[in-house]
Amino acid sequence: DQQVKQNSPSLSVQEGRISILNCDYTNSMFDYFLWYKKYPAEGPTFLISISSIKDKNEDGRFTVFLNKSAKHLSLHIVPSQPGDSAVYFCAASPDYNQGGKLIFGQGTELSVKP
Amino acid sequence: SAVISQKPSRDICQRGTSLTIQCQVDSQVTMMFWYRQQPGQSLTLIATANQGSEATYESGFVIDKFPISRPNLTFSTLTVSNMSPEDSSIYLCSVTDGGYEQYFGPGTRLTVT
Repeated sequence: DQQVKQNSPSLSVQEGRISILNCDYTNSMFDYFLWYKKYPAEGPTFLISISSIKDKNEDGRFTVFLNKSAKHLSLHIVPSQPGDSAVYFCAASPDYNQGGKLIFGQGTELSVKP
Repeated sequence: SAVISQKPSRDICQRGTSLTIQCQVDSQVTMMFWYRQQPGQSLTLIATANQGSEATYESGFVIDKFPISRPNLTFSTLTVSNMSPEDSSIYLCSVTDGGYEQYFGPGTRLTVT
């Protein structure tokens, strides 16, 4: 049972344009969501997060939007840069009292072309 | 954020053998976790490494196959026992200082032949 889903395995964007990565979840009890970026041969790097009580969080070029009614979140990268090319994972925390576990989506490979 | 290192970075092992992976953090952390990423798959939590007590395993993972130690607040080991080719994965440790965000080590790429 895949509770966190990233339905697009890959995305290609031109440099300078907007990248939009999507993530859907099934469990309405998730209370915190995170995005990670992963380069080959490296561990995932924390990028940005959002609490379930908010609908938007922004950090520089990165903005995460949360639509709780649709159980959907998205990561916007504006403007996209070639260095953003990586695999992006969304993750959800079911409940902090569950010991901090994270449930990850399958990942979306972003390619930003010059 | 904490600096996390893992040893070995990669290894090729024969089936039936065991490999112990080390995770070292440069500061004391509240919680440490072990994840597995099978080829083309997502990250899956194996267990939470508890300092001074037995690890807490997720459904589908058992202590006999993945024994874990955490002798102090900066170090943990994961052993992959009696390996088979299906155990070929990237194994990652992560830490948290009490918040939701987890910070990951570089991973150990294991190939079982």
